[in-house]
Amino acid sequence: GESVGLHLPTLSVQEGDNSIINCAYSNSASDYFIWYKQESGKGPQFIIDIRSNMDKRQGQRVTVLLNKTVKHLSLQIAATQPGDSAVYFCAENGYNQGGKLIFGQGTELSVKP
Amino acid sequence: SAVISQKPSRDICQRGTSLTIQCQVDSQVTMMFWYRQQPGQSLTLIATANQGSEATYESGFVIDKFPISRPNLTFSTLTVSNMSPEDSSIYLCSVAGGSMNTEAFFGQGTRLTVV
Repeated sequence: GESVGLHLPTLSVQEGDNSIINCAYSNSASDYFIWYKQESGKGPQFIIDIRSNMDKRQGQRVTVLLNKTVKHLSLQIAATQPGDSAVYFCAENGYNQGGKLIFGQGTELSVKP
Repeated sequence: SAVISQKPSRDICQRGTSLTIQCQVDSQVTMMFWYRQQPGQSLTLIATANQGSEATYESGFVIDKFPISRPNLTFSTLTVSNMSPEDSSIYLCSVAGGSMNTEAFFGQGTRLTVV
């Protein structure tokens, strides 16, 4: 079936470096994507989203890139900090699907001081 | 964003018993959802909780196992029935929000262990 998946299950970076977390999706009709951060013992926290009519969106220290040609999504975190250590999920949402999300596998980001 | 509270935050239950998880939202929302997150894995949608009608279940989930109530626009419950160790997971409530109702906000989850 259709799915959203990640290339790397774990990522370890040095504090201050930039982090890139990748995600592949298989449904070409997907039109809305969200990145979530989940810290241990907590629910997923919304980070940033992007609609299919865009290829880049920036937030505070984070950038999401969407490549519809190869159905690829990435989250870039600038100047990674220890507080960024968490599991990051991409999620897909058909535009008229409200909160019904299809989640990717997740990548655990570990930031070394 | 909506503030979502779940009770209990965690529980350890005996197999064969049932547990009801509550989800309270601080504002009226049209759409509420229940997800399951098995240990070390991603989130999977269980069902959409519809106010005034039966919940809509995703493939692989049935009402007899996961009955859901939605008595009003701020509250929902999920019951995990006749539990087995395979039901040990984090159960999460979420609501749709944002300007176009496309974002999803989550509660902190209920960590269930079945022994």
